[in-house]
Amino acid sequence: DTGVSQDPRHKITKRGQNVTFRCDPISEHNRLYWYRQTLGQGPEFLTYFQNEAQLEKSRLLSDRFSAERPKGSFSTLEIQRTEQGDSAMYLCASSLGTGLYIGEAFFGQGTRLTVV
Amino acid sequence: AQKITQTQPGMFVQEKEAVTLDCTYDTSDPSYGLFWYKQPSSGEMIFLIYQGSYDQQNATEGRYSLNFQKARKSANLVISASQLGDSAMYFCAMTHPYGNKLVFGAGTILRVKS
Repeated sequence: DTGVSQDPRHKITKRGQNVTFRCDPISEHNRLYWYRQTLGQGPEFLTYFQNEAQLEKSRLLSDRFSAERPKGSFSTLEIQRTEQGDSAMYLCASSLGTGLYIGEAFFGQGTRLTVV
Repeated sequence: AQKITQTQPGMFVQEKEAVTLDCTYDTSDPSYGLFWYKQPSSGEMIFLIYQGSYDQQNATEGRYSLNFQKARKSANLVISASQLGDSAMYFCAMTHPYGNKLVFGAGTILRVKS
């Protein structure tokens, strides 16, 4: 396994369009996370899955954002009606967590979204 | 609420010297984990080192060590024998009490000079 992979690496879209990102976690990892990172800042938590269940969503995740992880494998993050403020790096991470132990979270290379 | 503070926006170090990147944290939970990640210009977050709050010894991973001072709530990263490839952004992070997410600091840019 080569680690967490994200697709696409870069996306330029016009304001108002919908975009979808994909994340393929490390195969044995049960937990999957989405983060958003703007320039010069640390990543901010968006949402978290344990297997196929979405267990937490940040208040940053407006109703234009939706994430899924069907069958507990890959995950998609969709942004509807994109706005310029959505421009950021979207990072996916996965880990093998048990109970309260998050495990070592490994990140993908991210999808850089630019809304014009 | 959990908070990570990295007070050094940028650091310079001479190649082959050691450098310490500061990190302080704030939490009221006795059980937590502390992480350091490296983010080169390519954007990927690379896991470096982990320290659990109950670990008695400081974590080490190759040239990386974590200077964990629990009473002071600090978790500084020490990089020994710096290399040009160490030039990157470095983030300190900690787990939320329920263990389901990481809270990150603002990061420190490290530049290694030859």
